[in-house]
Amino acid sequence: DAKTTQPPSMDCAEGRAANLPCNHSTISGNEYVYWYRQIHSQGPQYIIHGLKNNETNEMASLIITEDRKSSTLILPHATLRDTAVYYCIVRVGGGSNYKLTFGKGTLLTVNP
Amino acid sequence: NAGVTQTPKFRILKIGQSMTLQCTQDMNHNYMYWYRQDPGMGLKLIYYSVGAGITDKGEVPNGYNVSRSTTEDFPLRLELAAPSQTSVYFCASTLSRGQGGNEQFFGPGTRLTVL
Repeated sequence: DAKTTQPPSMDCAEGRAANLPCNHSTISGNEYVYWYRQIHSQGPQYIIHGLKNNETNEMASLIITEDRKSSTLILPHATLRDTAVYYCIVRVGGGSNYKLTFGKGTLLTVNP
Repeated sequence: NAGVTQTPKFRILKIGQSMTLQCTQDMNHNYMYWYRQDPGMGLKLIYYSVGAGITDKGEVPNGYNVSRSTTEDFPLRLELAAPSQTSVYFCASTLSRGQGGNEQFFGPGTRLTVL
């Protein structure tokens, strides 16, 4: 699975958009970009994933650059409850390999 | 659905003791996983299973054993507890759907301390 690089921490004001970057310059053509988050002491929670196209769901939007070497997770209107560690993970989708490799992620702090 | 449930929530063991961490899912998922998370670190995969009767090692399997006799249950066994096994343990499951990616559902975790 490709290696990812994320900033260790970010701050965001409540009600503003939070934009979390992730670099994955060694991504290969069949690898997906996944985002999970972990609120303090809880199990990780799936947010969104994508392959090439931008994706949006009720939680967030995922913007993947055309060369797929980086992506941005966007929380459109951050709330205090969005304070968490956000993990960007790149891995192959499908087949027998559904294992996730978690790094240290980005600690997003949403301030009132 | 209850999702993924784990018991116990907390446990303190003495060095050399053994215990089993329980994990159950009611979503009929075929894949199940055990991760550990040390303070300030990301999750590391211990063992995983692609179906009943089939298990395989992850990144950090030493000191642990697993079994998968049913689709629903995936217990993790610690035979001789060591202080290095002090961690938070998460169980997860997913339904493989071939190509297209999938999400893993995580349990609430078991916080284990070995003294």
